[in-house]
Amino acid sequence: QVQLVQSGAEVKKPGASVKVSCKASGYTFTSYAVHWVRQAPGQRLEWMGWINTGNDNTKYSEKFQGRFTITRDTSASTAYMELSSLTSEDTAVYYCARDLGSSGWYSLGYWGQGTLVTVSS
Amino acid sequence: DIQMTQSPSSLSASVGDRVTITCRASQSISNYLHWYQQKPGKAPKLLIYAASSLQSGVPSRFSGSGSGTDFTLTISSLQPEDFATYYCQQSYTSPRTFGQGTKVEIK
Repeated sequence: QVQLVQSGAEVKKPGASVKVSCKASGYTFTSYAVHWVRQAPGQRLEWMGWINTGNDNTKYSEKFQGRFTITRDTSASTAYMELSSLTSEDTAVYYCARDLGSSGWYSLGYWGQGTLVTVSS
Repeated sequence: DIQMTQSPSSLSASVGDRVTITCRASQSISNYLHWYQQKPGKAPKLLIYAASSLQSGVPSRFSGSGSGTDFTLTISSLQPEDFATYYCQQSYTSPRTFGQGTKVEIK
């Protein structure tokens, strides 16, 4: 069965960076894109970007351009997201999600459990 | 960016009620519209993709309709486990925006 397992909670100081991992299993890692979505406390889901795990192409929301990077390690079937220059506004649960490809109209069919990132001085 | 607007933002309903949630896109997105259910402290779960296709394992009381800019999620007979927040999302173009959510509460 498809599983996405994320790394554990993080506490960071303002100005620092955070890197979260998302390990995939149960399917061919390079066949489906991985997306990152975050949710601040009490707020809506916010799409951040995605990576084509086959060719390493990425697309980011302009809101995060310049301080957000998605990478992947195909040998480990793992995707990573790194967010820099953190502020308190970045305190949120960060999710990775796998889309269903073209047959699923690129909907997000599988999700990781979420990683809480807290930014506090 | 394409703006996704859901209505209502919240609703109260009883078990057995028929519930309808709407989602409007700020421009045409064809059928690239998906619905998710999220319970407190949990990751979202895909219910409906491509506006009207039921995701595997999702009960048939959930249905979706619409195309272009206007979409609807319907729960035909609300069950206790359906009390949650529902989000629409478009995958027509990046950024893949979500609606603000509709919280379904117990009356």
